[in-house]
Amino acid sequence: DAGITQSPRHKVTETGTPVTLRCHQTENHRYMYWYRQDPGHGLRLIHYSYGVKDTDKGEVSDGYSVSRSKTEDFLLTLESATSSQTSVYFCAISGIGTSGSYNEQFFGPGTRLTVL
Amino acid sequence: AQKITQTQPGMFVQEKEAVTLDCTYDTSDQSYGLFWYKQPSSGEMIFLIYQGSYDEQNATEGRYSLNFQKARKSANLVISASQLGDSAMYFCAMREGEDNYGQNFVFGPGTRLSVLP
Repeated sequence: DAGITQSPRHKVTETGTPVTLRCHQTENHRYMYWYRQDPGHGLRLIHYSYGVKDTDKGEVSDGYSVSRSKTEDFLLTLESATSSQTSVYFCAISGIGTSGSYNEQFFGPGTRLTVL
Repeated sequence: AQKITQTQPGMFVQEKEAVTLDCTYDTSDQSYGLFWYKQPSSGEMIFLIYQGSYDEQNATEGRYSLNFQKARKSANLVISASQLGDSAMYFCAMREGEDNYGQNFVFGPGTRLSVLP
C-alpha cells in the first residue's frame, strides 16, 4: 500500500476559525490532491499539486487554499471555516514514484471535519 | 453538465453471480483515463481498475473487468463471482488529459452494491 497519512483524522471546530489539514506521503509521487466527499456528490476535487509550489484549483476550490513546500507534504487550509465545509476530506497521490504506480490514485484514510 | 454518470444508486446481487455497474462519461478530450474505486463501509478508497482511452483491450484485474465502449462513452465495471466482501460503494472516475499529467479527476456519485448470501 502507498504510504499516505492524513492528520488530524477527526476535527471539530467552530465557524470562523482557521483549520489546516495535512497530507503526508512517503512515495515520492509528483501529484497530490485534496478532495471532499459529501453524500450524493461522490468525491469532488478541491485543489491539486503537480510539484513543489505548483498547485491548481479543482471543481470546488472556493474557501480553500493549499500549499506544498516539500514533495511529501500537501496542506489544505480553510481560512475561515463555515458549516458548509463540514465533510470528509481525502488526500490522494499519483504519478511515478517508488512504488512504480502510474495510472492510479492512492488515497489517504480521510479526515472527518465538523464545523459547528 | 455531469461528466460522470452512474445511473444505479443501489444494486443487489446474489453471492457468486456476476454484476455490472454502469458508468457513462462525457469528455471532448482524445486522451483520458477511466478508473473504478471501491469504498467499503470502513471509508477507505480502494483503487480497482484503470482503462486508458487508447487501450484497445478491456482492462481486467482478477474478478474485475472494465467493459469499455468508447463510441458510447461507457466504462462499465463487471464483477464476476460476487463475494460478500464486495458489498460497498463503487465510484467511477475520469482523468482528462495525457497520462502522467496531474489533471482534474472527476468522480461519479457512486453505486452502492449489496451482495446477498
